[in-house]
Amino acid sequence: DVKVTQSSRYLVKRTGEKVFLECVQDMDHENMFWYRQDPGLGLRLIYFSYDVKMKEKGDIPEGYSVSREKKERFSLILESASTNQTSMYLCASTPDRAPPNYGYTFGSGTRLTVV
Amino acid sequence: KNQVEQSPQSLIILEGKNCTLQCNYTVSPFSNLRWYKQDTGRGPVSLTIMTFSENTKSNGRYTATLDADTKQSSLHITASQLSDSASYICVVSSGRSYIPTFGRGTSLIVHP
Repeated sequence: DVKVTQSSRYLVKRTGEKVFLECVQDMDHENMFWYRQDPGLGLRLIYFSYDVKMKEKGDIPEGYSVSREKKERFSLILESASTNQTSMYLCASTPDRAPPNYGYTFGSGTRLTVV
Repeated sequence: KNQVEQSPQSLIILEGKNCTLQCNYTVSPFSNLRWYKQDTGRGPVSLTIMTFSENTKSNGRYTATLDADTKQSSLHITASQLSDSASYICVVSSGRSYIPTFGRGTSLIVHP
């Protein structure tokens, strides 16, 4: 089974801190994604990457950046954390040229609280 | 604009009862529709996937239906258990993009 591992289940950070959320997948998938999930809003795409060193903005990239130096690892960076970035963050991956019925494999999520 | 609407937003039922969750979408062109289950504090896990030609698919006590003409899907849970308490998310993929459109989910609580 594909495994997507997020390094932290829970994080508490202070306002203004630089925060790194790490995601690693073990099935050689080309595509990786970062979402945030908030009550009543569902999942919203922050950034995605379809190859090493490639990145694309999603629907809500403001306040975030990403890094993909290796195929298996996709990092989400909060340059200066703010309280409105308190959320559940979900990483997902899919292979390139996936058949139409191939869905996302999600990590377990990181619950980030910014105080 | 592609959209996925789910109803109800939340639902409370007694253990052993059945329930049905709804999903309406406007994604075009349609490729597939997937239902995910998300336990509290965990990532979503796929329950079923349906393509254009399928109108019913079961996974244990979960049965999904798809009406591609009316662009509606439902997820029926039979003989609910406490472990069914979760959020259920409808996700629709287009043939034009590998980024799907997510519904906001239905929160189901099963009481003993």
